[in-house]
Amino acid sequence: SAVISQKPSRDICQRGTSLTIQCQVDSQVTMMFWYRQQPGQSLTLIATANQGSEATYESGFVIDKFPISRPNLTFSTLTVSNLSPEDSSIYLCSVEETGNEQYFGPGTRLTVT
Amino acid sequence: EDKVVQSPLSLVVHEGDTVTLNCSYEVTNFRSLLWYKQEKKAPTFLFMLTSSGIEKKSGRLSSILDKKELSSILNITATQTGDSAIYLCAVEAFRGTYKYIFGTGTRLKVLA
Repeated sequence: SAVISQKPSRDICQRGTSLTIQCQVDSQVTMMFWYRQQPGQSLTLIATANQGSEATYESGFVIDKFPISRPNLTFSTLTVSNLSPEDSSIYLCSVEETGNEQYFGPGTRLTVT
Repeated sequence: EDKVVQSPLSLVVHEGDTVTLNCSYEVTNFRSLLWYKQEKKAPTFLFMLTSSGIEKKSGRLSSILDKKELSSILNITATQTGDSAIYLCAVEAFRGTYKYIFGTGTRLKVLA
């Protein structure tokens, strides 16, 4: 399976600032996904990021708050903008490989103070 | 609205016990069902199921899909303390594009 890395692994940010999370894959993949997992909750899909097209956002998530870049087939970034304490979560990127199996990066734990 | 429901929400067993975790779903254009184990941050892939009635097995873990009942079970035999984790079920469905809908998970604790 693909090896996925995320940076940073954790961060503590102040209210009103932004955090950009990077996701790097060791092979080319078409579909990348960004998820949020709030404390005690399951994973919620934020958006699907395909290379060469705009990200597709799920209901309740907007581009102004969660801008995503996907410049090539091995890399994507998610920015969480204008941070508030409610944004404190684990953010995960994932990829879908041939065979439709989905694998996750190690996650980024964000705490907003 | 698409939904995935897991039961039980939590479970405490003793080492050596066998557990069965349940996942039921209502989605549009089902493609596959996946099981994950989550211990810290990132879920670890366990199984992907696409066909009814075909059991997938890996060591002490096994899983089967019932498309008629819109459900799946994950069995863990001879549980060990290292099996303590949250087990997530996700269904891949098509709504304009393929996407994954996750259940709330089952928190399993195995006592020594």
